[in-house]
Amino acid sequence: NAGVTQTPKFQVLKTGQSMTLQCAQDMNHEYMSWYRQDPGMGLRLIHYSVGAGITDQGEVPNGYNVSRSTTEDFPLRLLSAAPSQTSVYFCASSFSNEQYFGPGTRLTVT
Amino acid sequence: SQELEQSPQSLIVQEGKNLTINCTSSKTLYGLYWYKQKYGEGLIFLMMLQKGGEEKSHEKITAKLDEKKQQSSLHITASQPSHAGIYLCGAAPRGGGTSYGKLTFGQGTILTVHP
Repeated sequence: NAGVTQTPKFQVLKTGQSMTLQCAQDMNHEYMSWYRQDPGMGLRLIHYSVGAGITDQGEVPNGYNVSRSTTEDFPLRLLSAAPSQTSVYFCASSFSNEQYFGPGTRLTVT
Repeated sequence: SQELEQSPQSLIVQEGKNLTINCTSSKTLYGLYWYKQKYGEGLIFLMMLQKGGEEKSHEKITAKLDEKKQQSSLHITASQPSHAGIYLCGAAPRGGGTSYGKLTFGQGTILTVHP
């Protein structure tokens, strides 16, 4: 099992560009989430999904879109990147009381 | 919304010393998770506590949940350089578990262990 995988590991964008952060899990978990981590602020929930075709907003959803067409994949789309979206992004998948995190994507918006 | 406050924000100890990190919630805790993160890497699950008074240990790390105080503590005995990193607590929503992947996290505690 690869667990939770994320690509790319690093990305630099210019303001206004769009991109998709990829997340995949091979554990057949129903629940998947996206968090962002900023210095001194812990992790904040962006969007989450309780199954294929079902998504909902978390604490900081503005500027991000998600979709969940399969159990395995949960991509995060930045529609028009802003410097405030410079952060480390973590994807996680959950089953019952266990939540597993991917290695993260470090995004810089200039 | 629930807020978690961790203390201290950073901690520097000499190898072999004991230390404690606290996580205090603004609301009732239904499930409390502890994770460790090394710089530039993902989060590693340490342990999860659900019941008031519950205590769990893994190697030299012990975590307790004080439900009445809405607080959890993480204690490391005889610290080693391998314990260095960022420790994060996360609270599960009412209903228990991370079943919806909606944890609320504290801001993290940065631990440095000098050899």
